[in-house]
Amino acid sequence: QSALTQPPSASGSPGQSVTISCTGTSSDVGGYNYVSWYQVHPGKAPKLMIYEVSKRPSGVPDRFSGSKSGNTASLTVSGLQAEDEADYHCSSYAGRNNWVFGGGTELTVL
Amino acid sequence: QVQLVESGGGVVPPGRSLRLSCAASGFTFSSNTMHWVRQAPGRGLEWVALISYDGSNKYYADSVKGRFIISRDNSKNTLYLQMNSLRGEDTAVYYCASDYDSGSSALDPWGQGTLVTVSS
Repeated sequence: QSALTQPPSASGSPGQSVTISCTGTSSDVGGYNYVSWYQVHPGKAPKLMIYEVSKRPSGVPDRFSGSKSGNTASLTVSGLQAEDEADYHCSSYAGRNNWVFGGGTELTVL
Repeated sequence: QVQLVESGGGVVPPGRSLRLSCAASGFTFSSNTMHWVRQAPGRGLEWVALISYDGSNKYYADSVKGRFIISRDNSKNTLYLQMNSLRGEDTAVYYCASDYDSGSSALDPWGQGTLVTVSS
């Protein structure tokens, strides 16, 4: 069982928006603004999509956005495209040099 | 380009040891904190260990503390994970990853991973 809770699956049609949640506790998500989101295509290296809750690394489309409220962080993908179909994993710093991850969400573009 | 390539995975009986390597290129390896993260079959990612840029500080997840040792050789741009007393629950794809930016607590880039299977 993962430390952070994500829905196992999410889906949307091309052009639509989808939001993936990531629920932790006040010791991780709620306690630090260090939530990250990673995109993982099968057999490929994970890719950082969002860091520090809502910042986008260079090269990540602005269709990807992040937010946080209390102990729950969210990743929103707007204008869904076929290449967005992948697994998405959230992560949070949990203090004392420890990181926690979610169980991952499989995003399907219908 | 920036690249991390893991190696050393394989099938190993319970109780035995294995050493993973991660070769870095395309960035200043010696300046970055490095991590190992794993993903067991059908499970989410799990942070395993980190080592500071100069190797002076090392931290481990409780699940591997006392059994795994993280190390690095900055002259070879290589990160290592020595895994001892392996258990079935250590079966996973092991990824190495770099700190994205000092203080960001995010990881990037990542390697493609190497599979470790602990089985008799």
